[in-house]
Amino acid sequence: DIQMIQSPSSMFAFLGDRVSLSCRASQGIRGNLDWYQQKPGGPIKLLIYSTSNLNSGVPSRFSGSGSGSDYSLTISSLESEDFADYYCLQRNAYPLTFGAGTKLELK
Amino acid sequence: EVQLQESGPSLVKPSQTLSLTCSVTGASITSGYWNWIRKFPGNKLEYMGYINYSGSTYYNPSLKSRISITRDTSKNQYYVQLNSVTTEDTATYYCARNYDSSPFAYWGQGTLVTVSA
Repeated sequence: DIQMIQSPSSMFAFLGDRVSLSCRASQGIRGNLDWYQQKPGGPIKLLIYSTSNLNSGVPSRFSGSGSGSDYSLTISSLESEDFADYYCLQRNAYPLTFGAGTKLELK
Repeated sequence: EVQLQESGPSLVKPSQTLSLTCSVTGASITSGYWNWIRKFPGNKLEYMGYINYSGSTYYNPSLKSRISITRDTSKNQYYVQLNSVTTEDTATYYCARNYDSSPFAYWGQGTLVTVSA
């Protein structure tokens, strides 16, 4: 299985901050990497697919980048609605595997 | 709009079978891939498997001996059964739709299943 190491596991940030979350795969995954967001009690939502493509309706302050085995999600200026859990998912090989998540909290 | 809704017992006894239904509206389960994913307490997510448009299935090898995913196209529903459950199977179970190796754009709300005597 491809292991996905997501970091940090949690972070605190202020409104307006620029933050970056990281996901590292145990092998190259050819850009087949998505980012998902989940708020407490809420559904899991697709934010970014295939490394850098914003899902419909996702604000442009979210962006994704990476290649090979290293990927990141950046939020350019945090808004209150962005404080949530974020997960990466590799779709390069079955079984599909998720990162352990990053909990983004308001400082 | 595609909508998925999980349903089933919220409490299952150890050694018994966990059975859940995913009811789909806005799309036919004869198109695409229909998946089960679970989220454990502590927030780890595990991909369980899929049944696709033709009825073919894939199961995560970690579950292969215990899991079955089936469907009823007349009801536009698909199902997961997990046998011989233990407390380690306590999780929120999600159904989700994609196409082969494409992103999961549609998810159900999830249903919490607790395995306890």
